[in-house]
Amino acid sequence: AQSVTQLDSHVSVSEGTPVLLRCNYSSSYSPSLFWYVQHPNKGLQLLLKYTSAATLVKGINGFEAEFKKSETSFHLTKPSAHMSDAAEYFCVVSDRNAGNMLTFGGGTRLMVKP
Amino acid sequence: KAGVTQTPRYLIKTRGQQVTLSCSPISGHRSVSWYQQTPGQGLQFLFEYFSETQRNKGNFPGRFSGRQFSNSRSEMNVSTLELGDSALYLCASSLAASGRRETQYFGPGTRLLVL
Repeated sequence: AQSVTQLDSHVSVSEGTPVLLRCNYSSSYSPSLFWYVQHPNKGLQLLLKYTSAATLVKGINGFEAEFKKSETSFHLTKPSAHMSDAAEYFCVVSDRNAGNMLTFGGGTRLMVKP
Repeated sequence: KAGVTQTPRYLIKTRGQQVTLSCSPISGHRSVSWYQQTPGQGLQFLFEYFSETQRNKGNFPGRFSGRQFSNSRSEMNVSTLELGDSALYLCASSLAASGRRETQYFGPGTRLLVL
């Protein structure tokens, strides 16, 4: 069985400061891991994905995430927050036995203060 | 290339009615998955279709059903609507069959309100 825990439901940062959104996963097999972003009243947009290649994954808009198997973590970071980053972020896992079924974390709402 | 489209975008129904939502995947994509998003339960997997066959199903009652047509377009149906069915229903498409964990691309969703 696969599951995802996003450790913070809300994160608030000031514009220009670093962003850290934390995610831990559980998977029976080698997982694929994703981060998606959802802006208000919009669908989900893929930020980045890990599929057993490089453990440090670079995504769009300056985001990156590091897969740490020993810690079962896949935290999302960005060096400098921008106002447009304010949104809800979802960490997502899919393992080999789940087909295309994605299991979502509860989401982290990122607020960016001017 | 056009993205995933969903119709209608907004829908209001009353308890006991049924509803049909439609999803057109990205051209060339053959896998379509459906998800329900609510404030209380978050995002939950409903089912996945590939080549007109249901490949995977989440833990939802039989009132939730779906199908896929030969052009890969998909519909989901909810019968005997309940207040708790109010949600954003998201459709996602991907290129390959189940098991290859391709990237899934999401549509904007259909927001259903049940009164």
